[in-house]
Amino acid sequence: GAGVSQSPSNKVTEKGKDVELRCDPISGHTALYWYRQSLGQGLEFLIYFQGNSAPDKSGLPSDRFSAERTGGSVSTLTIQRTQQEDSAVYLCASSWDRGNTEAFFGQGTRLTVV
Amino acid sequence: RKEVEQDPGPFNVPEGATVAFNCTYSNSASQSFFWYRQDCRKEPKLLMSVYSSGNEDGRFTAQLNRASQYISLLIRDSKLSDSATYLCVVNGEGGSNYKLTFGKGTLLTVNP
Repeated sequence: GAGVSQSPSNKVTEKGKDVELRCDPISGHTALYWYRQSLGQGLEFLIYFQGNSAPDKSGLPSDRFSAERTGGSVSTLTIQRTQQEDSAVYLCASSWDRGNTEAFFGQGTRLTVV
Repeated sequence: RKEVEQDPGPFNVPEGATVAFNCTYSNSASQSFFWYRQDCRKEPKLLMSVYSSGNEDGRFTAQLNRASQYISLLIRDSKLSDSATYLCVVNGEGGSNYKLTFGKGTLLTVNP
């Protein structure tokens, strides 16, 4: 596709369940970012991929959060045993190069944990 | 000092006004700087990059002051459609040369 695609666009899940969020970056973009935005708040950095490698996972809030990227393309963010405080919009972005060029965002996945 | 700090606003201005946003960053080694715009319940989108010499795009002017670690965005002749949250973005905070760090944003409302 022409832009960054995220799925699902909305996800409602019960507390304690696992969820998987998917990101399809723009073809050819080597850098991929995951951010989280809670209602009325700024963007919180979660993790960055360069190719399939994640040199910095320090933004992941807890060990319930994990992410992977395969084939230098699709990335999946997994949240295990979801908690209500995990409710937020999860945004994925990709760019040609690490941090020096424009990052294009997907429309996000709105996660609600009930 | 926070990594990237912005005046949260909100700024409420009439149409046609000139408004300026400021942003400071903590890491003097930061390399790239951007202003993004985020409409309500939408994803952020690049407004403009910020170059050392300063740059202008129509009604928008961005400036960088490396000595003071300060970035600004000036909007002239503001339009109703300029109403949005403006995000200051810095690359290289936290010692990395890839991490894009976002400020919390400044909310602008342009009133008729």
